[in-house]
Amino acid sequence: DAGITQSPRHKVTETGTPVTLRCHQTENHRYMYWYRQDPGHGLRLIHYSYGVKDTDKGEVSDGYSVSRSKTEDFLLTLESATSSQTSVYFCAIRGGGSPLHFGNGTRLTVT
Amino acid sequence: SQQGEEDPQALSIQEGENATMNCSYKTSINNLQWYRQNSGRGLVHLILIRSNEREKHSGRLRVTLDTSKKSSSLLITASRAADTASYFCATDAQTGANSKLTFGKGITLSVRP
Repeated sequence: DAGITQSPRHKVTETGTPVTLRCHQTENHRYMYWYRQDPGHGLRLIHYSYGVKDTDKGEVSDGYSVSRSKTEDFLLTLESATSSQTSVYFCAIRGGGSPLHFGNGTRLTVT
Repeated sequence: SQQGEEDPQALSIQEGENATMNCSYKTSINNLQWYRQNSGRGLVHLILIRSNEREKHSGRLRVTLDTSKKSSSLLITASRAADTASYFCATDAQTGANSKLTFGKGITLSVRP
């Protein structure tokens, strides 16, 4: 899967708890993205990164923060998880001018 | 909000038939891409067509782009049961660091053996 790994693959957490999802790549690609996928909404961009410590918001960034301290890792944090953040989260990477390569997703359930 | 809207939402065909899926979008684009998703997996890139191209082929896939109508179609010829998946169009309106894809809601394709 193009050298991209998401962890954990599944997580159940309680409302109000912090959660961090990790995306790790071995491709040395500059661009990394976090999407969420929900029935009836398709994929929606949460945050993206265009380099180490360079990040920007997507269309559904409220309640999420990201960090990228090194090229290979892009972390997505839910500071205080809510039930509306129950979703499948996908990380994707891209080299310059190339299409996206996706990880296999993290299924997050907030109870 | 979604830039791309696929049509139909669901499609069921017999193996060997052709499958045609459509995508419409609202604003000017740099390129349009089609992705496929098998159940429980991440999306896989199928084909990219740039705004100055009208048609591209890749194996059994044919994609067209009509920028005047802001629409694209994906044709899968001689479908197989293994083509059963969800298909998404995605538009890229910018270049460089701000380049990011906006996805539609997807089309569920079922190919009956």
